[in-house]
Amino acid sequence: AQKVTQAQTEISVVEKEDVTLDCVYETRDTTYYLFWYKQPPSGELVFLIRRNSFDEQNEISGRYSWNFQKSTSSFNFTITASQVVDSAVYFCALSEAERNYGGSQGNLIFGKGTKLSVKP
Amino acid sequence: NAGVTQTPKFQVLKTGQSMTLQCAQDMNHEYMSWYRQDPGMGLRLIHYSVGAGITDQGEVPNGYNVSRSTTEDFPLRLLSAAPSQTSVYFCASSSTFNTEAFFGQGTRLTVV
Repeated sequence: AQKVTQAQTEISVVEKEDVTLDCVYETRDTTYYLFWYKQPPSGELVFLIRRNSFDEQNEISGRYSWNFQKSTSSFNFTITASQVVDSAVYFCALSEAERNYGGSQGNLIFGKGTKLSVKP
Repeated sequence: NAGVTQTPKFQVLKTGQSMTLQCAQDMNHEYMSWYRQDPGMGLRLIHYSVGAGITDQGEVPNGYNVSRSTTEDFPLRLLSAAPSQTSVYFCASSSTFNTEAFFGQGTRLTVV
């Protein structure tokens, strides 16, 4: 069965600190996709990144970077020089390539989220 | 470009009442889904659809019905509201089930 664990429930940092949000996943599929979404205090869900299981190259987008390691089943997200606007709940999610009717396989399975508070 | 539109944004129901949460998308996406978000639980899949006329259950389908008569619309029906259905509901759409999902603004539902 697929599962996503975000062990950090809440993190609080001071502006300009670097912060890493952890995500560990479980799946039996060899082909799968990993996602990160941001939910700011306004409540909407904002897509940040999608990776497939065959692409372990790390990705950097501005102050954001993602470290995908299949050996440890982790897909961690780092914010460099955090800002107050980064305060949000961040969700990691998994989608397996094999879709079976009657279950949740193939759909997004979310972790419980990490609430990040960045203080000025 | 509206994306995914959910209505209403807020709703209060009495136990036993029924209602429909509306979801519409204008991106011609085949795949649509409904999630509920509860504190400390993340988002859990209620129902999903892979195209007009095709729906299936997710992780927490009890107490909810869906139908998909058009590509654009995917309403969620609460048959007989219960306090346990107090939650924030999100509708999402994507071109396929493994691509980026676009979410609506959410509906905050309270059942008293």
